[in-house]
Amino acid sequence: DQQVKQNSPSLSVQEGRISILNCDYTNSMFDYFLWYKKYPAEGPTFLISISSIKDKNEDGRFTVFLNKSAKHLSLHIVPSQPGDSAVYFCAASFAYSGAGSYQLTFGKGTKLSVIP
Amino acid sequence: NAGVTQTPKFRVLKTGQSMTLLCAQDMNHEYMYWYRQDPGMGLRLIHYSVGEGTTAKGEVPDGYNVSRLKKQNFLLGLESAAPSQTSVYFCASSSAGLLSFRPQHFGDGTRLSIL
Repeated sequence: DQQVKQNSPSLSVQEGRISILNCDYTNSMFDYFLWYKKYPAEGPTFLISISSIKDKNEDGRFTVFLNKSAKHLSLHIVPSQPGDSAVYFCAASFAYSGAGSYQLTFGKGTKLSVIP
Repeated sequence: NAGVTQTPKFRVLKTGQSMTLLCAQDMNHEYMYWYRQDPGMGLRLIHYSVGEGTTAKGEVPDGYNVSRLKKQNFLLGLESAAPSQTSVYFCASSSAGLLSFRPQHFGDGTRLSIL
């Protein structure tokens, strides 16, 4: 039973336009969400995160939105650049539940292609 | 600034052979993790450690053992390799932030093929 779902395996966007990557989760106890970016033959790199007490977090071209009632988060990249072409993973955690280990549950990823 | 280093980067094993994957981090992180990634799948947690001398099972621990004798190292062992363990293995580490969440930092992976 997949607790974190990225229903779009791939997405193509024109350079300069907005990229929107979506993620849904089923466990309402998740309280921290992260996005990781992964290039081929490299490990995932942390991109941006959001706590469940917020509904938006921004870092430069990257913004993450959280809709707790819908159990949905999205990553917006504006403007998109060819270097953004990578696989993006959504991850969720019970960061403040007292588990202490900060285990992450990952989605399957969305491959973003930014076309010059 | 090495971060998280995984050794080896590639390995081919025969069914039944054993091997150990090494993960080393130089960030003085308390927590370390081993994940596997299979085609079309996200990363799945195998085992993790919250400190030197401690280990715990993750989502898919069967067929693997781990040890954390030193804070900077986390070893993943396959006692009797099976074709189902063909995968890319990622090690990660994070600090134990008390006031705010600390993201995990990943190594570049070990690609393991079991024939």
